[in-house]
Amino acid sequence: NAGVMQNPRHLVRRRGQEARLRCSPMKGHSHVYWYRQLPEEGLKFMVYLQKENIIDESGMPKERFSAEFPKEGPSILRIQQVVRGDSAAYFCASSPLKTGTSRTGELFFGEGSRLTVL
Amino acid sequence: GEDVEQSLFLSVREGDSSVINCTYTDSSSTYLYWYKQEPGAGLQLLTYIFSNMDMKQDQRLTVLLNKKDKHLSLRIADTQTGDSAIYFCAVDSNYQLIWGAGTKLIIKP
Repeated sequence: NAGVMQNPRHLVRRRGQEARLRCSPMKGHSHVYWYRQLPEEGLKFMVYLQKENIIDESGMPKERFSAEFPKEGPSILRIQQVVRGDSAAYFCASSPLKTGTSRTGELFFGEGSRLTVL
Repeated sequence: GEDVEQSLFLSVREGDSSVINCTYTDSSSTYLYWYKQEPGAGLQLLTYIFSNMDMKQDQRLTVLLNKKDKHLSLRIADTQTGDSAIYFCAVDSNYQLIWGAGTKLIIKP
C-alpha cells in the first residue's frame, strides 16, 4: 500500500514562471491537506480539499495560488508567477477522515516538494 | 487565532533523556500529537494523547499533558542518534491541526 506520493520532489523555477505540485493521497483517503514549511518555521496550513471540493482555503494566499482535487487524478497545488518568497517545502497530507473526527486524527504525509525560485 | 509554541532547538547527550516542551492556547483541543520529521522527509505521527489523559507511555516515549497550564511534553528516554529529527507538536482546533514550529533535537556523542 503506497503512501502519499508527491512530485516533483525538487522543483526550480525562475521568477514569473508557474509551479505545479502534485499529490496522490493514500489509497482510500479522500481528504487532502496542503501545508507550507519555511526554514525554522512550523507547518502552515494552506488548503483542505475533498474530491472535487475545496473545503477550507483559509491558509491560501489570495492571489497566484490555487488548488484542486479532481474526481480522477492527483491533487494539484498551482502557483502562478512565482516569486522568491514562494521558495519553501510544500507538504501534502491525506486522511481517511476529517481531522478531529477520527480517533487519532492522524495525517499521513508525503515527503514534500521543495520549490526553489531563482 | 490559536497558537502552539515550542523551542526551536534541544541538545542532549546520547543516552540521556530528552524532554521537548510545547504550549498551546486552545483549551478545547481534544487530541494532541507529536510528529517526527527526519531530514529530507515528511512528517510521521509518533504518538498522541487524548485530552482526558495526563500521561501516556509507549516504550521509550512518555507524553505528559497539563491541561490547566496547556502544556504538553514529550520525553524520550535513552536518547539515541537515530532520534535526531525535528519534533512537531500539533493540537486539533476546529477540525484543523495547529502546528508548532518544531524542535530540532541534536544528539551529542
